[in-house]
Amino acid sequence: QQPVQSPQAVILREGEDAVINCSSSKALYSVHWYRQKHGEAPVFLMILLKGGEQKGHDKISASFNEKKQQSSLYLTASQLSYSGTYFCGTEYMNRDDKIIFGKGTRLHILP
Amino acid sequence: GAGVSQSPSNKVTEKGKDVELRCDPISGHTALYWYRQRLGQGLEFLIYFQGNSAPDKSGLPSDRFSAERTGESVSTLTIQRTQQEDSAVYLCASSQRQFSVGYEQYFGPGTRLTVT
Repeated sequence: QQPVQSPQAVILREGEDAVINCSSSKALYSVHWYRQKHGEAPVFLMILLKGGEQKGHDKISASFNEKKQQSSLYLTASQLSYSGTYFCGTEYMNRDDKIIFGKGTRLHILP
Repeated sequence: GAGVSQSPSNKVTEKGKDVELRCDPISGHTALYWYRQRLGQGLEFLIYFQGNSAPDKSGLPSDRFSAERTGESVSTLTIQRTQQEDSAVYLCASSQRQFSVGYEQYFGPGTRLTVT
């Protein structure tokens, strides 16, 4: 049931772009994206809802393909502060209020 | 305003002892979640509360784990007869659930549990 994230890890230079993918084997109602810096709690980035409503972050965008049960997070012109582990969390169509998180994608930005 | 708080921040216990971990959610947040995060791993769902009822306990690893919540306030996660594999960071999150709107979870700083 756990969504699959790819890649597992990314190393970028400052200013480069990154895409992080999240795919599910079950129909999704929503996809949530969080970022966790080392030793800190996860912080909310973005929610994408079935039907297209999106709530989130100014400098980070995301897409949600309901048919393919996939979401992608786009980080453009990456900054050093973007470093951390990105988790996608999925809520399934049965609306059981439970969010299942993927294993995370570690992003490291080099100066 | 105040965020989600958890206590203790660190707990070292001997194998076989019981531990209680506490979570104070953001005031007014009806939903409360517990997750476990082993070193370098993802967030493992444990249990979810809506108000003081727990519609989903499916993530609790064994009957040594239990949780309760007082109204829409404090929650306590109890681990009995701790084992070394229980060592992890236990994260609590709260949210203001609104159906068909979507919501974000606010995480606490976590309790780092070490079982020796």
